[in-house]
Amino acid sequence: DIQLTQSPSSMSASLGDRVSLTCQSSQGIGNYLSWYQHKPGKPPKPMIYYATNLADGVPSRFSGSRSGSDYSLTISSLESEDTAIYYCLQYDEYPLTFGSGTKLEIK
Amino acid sequence: EVQLVESGGGLVQPGRSLKLSCAASGFTFSNYGMAWVCQAPTKGLEWVASISTGGGNTYYRDSVKGRFTISRDNAKNTLYLQMDSLRSEDTATYYCARHGLNWELDYWGQGVMVTVSS
Repeated sequence: DIQLTQSPSSMSASLGDRVSLTCQSSQGIGNYLSWYQHKPGKPPKPMIYYATNLADGVPSRFSGSRSGSDYSLTISSLESEDTAIYYCLQYDEYPLTFGSGTKLEIK
Repeated sequence: EVQLVESGGGLVQPGRSLKLSCAASGFTFSNYGMAWVCQAPTKGLEWVASISTGGGNTYYRDSVKGRFTISRDNAKNTLYLQMDSLRSEDTATYYCARHGLNWELDYWGQGVMVTVSS
């Protein structure tokens, strides 16, 4: 099975900071990686598809990038509503696998 | 507007069965693959199963193979998850999700709780 390693597992940052979350794949998955924002009591919200494509309705301060087997979700200027757990998902092959998540908090 | 509404969750004893349903609306259901994803208490997200547009191809995580069955009724715009031989470790919130055109999970339901306990 493909393993996705997310780092850091948790972090806190200040409003307005630039924040980058990382997801490393154990095997090649091309660009078949997406990012989800998950808040308590709500379903996961798609943020990024195909490694770099912004999902509908997602603010432009969010972006996705890829360097080899390393994938990043970047928030250019952190806002209070961005507090959540962020998960990456590979959908290149079965079983689909999620990373263990990064918990993002505001200082 | 795409909507996915799960139902059928609840408290069930170990070894018993439960069937989840997901009513879809706002899109042509038969054109999209569908999936179930779960989240156990205090744990992360886990993919459970997926099904192709016509239902002919199904895929499962190892821990549910032989116990869970994903199916769909395209005439009723409904996705199902038949859960047999339930274990305490199956306790989780189960989300119905749609596979997008590149197989990403692009829409999610609100989730339904399943508790397996005696």
